[in-house]
Amino acid sequence: DAGITQSPRHKVTETGTPVTLRCHQTENHRYMYWYRQDPGHGLRLIHYSYGVKDTDKGEVSDGYSVSRSKTEDFLLTLESATSSQTSVYFCAISERQGETQYFGPGTRLLVL
Amino acid sequence: AQSVTQPDIHITVSEGASLELRCNYSYGATPYLFWYVQSPGQGLQLLLKYFSGDTLVQGIKGFEAEFKRSQSSFNLRKPSVHWSDAAEYFCAVGAYIGGTSYGKLTFGQGTILTVHP
Repeated sequence: DAGITQSPRHKVTETGTPVTLRCHQTENHRYMYWYRQDPGHGLRLIHYSYGVKDTDKGEVSDGYSVSRSKTEDFLLTLESATSSQTSVYFCAISERQGETQYFGPGTRLLVL
Repeated sequence: AQSVTQPDIHITVSEGASLELRCNYSYGATPYLFWYVQSPGQGLQLLLKYFSGDTLVQGIKGFEAEFKRSQSSFNLRKPSVHWSDAAEYFCAVGAYIGGTSYGKLTFGQGTILTVHP
């Protein structure tokens, strides 16, 4: 299994509070991705990174920001959490964009 | 832009029966195609992938998939399903842009597989 960890694995927070999710990899892969998974929607890309300090938006980026200051870490921040951001968040990595992505175990976020 | 359709939201089969999960993609050029499986509470695991060459690809756990360009399909099959195959299955497509550049993966909505004993 690819060395990908996500923290926290579970979080409950209140509407309006900031939340940061962390993805850590030990594979030295260039590309990192944040997805959210919701019933009936499959996986939707939030943001991705193609290198340190290089990030771009995905299809559902509103309300989210990301940062990547080191190859191994990719942070996802919800600036002011809303109930619509209740979801399961997955991090993924790949050596090259468009090729095989390896997924972390996920973070289950509940916004009350 | 590419897209992926998995027409079946939920499929139920008996243990030992054959299985086929459908995946249709929309993309103008040669796609990269993937099947992932997700067990409850887990992340996604790669089952198999197609990049080029033989259109019938073998994956882990006895799964195979066939790329049919004329039908824009990449259906997943297994000749005899085991109870442990119960999970959600996702098809994904990646776009080849040119040179060494590739586009992002687009995932289908998933198919939930239930296996009856």
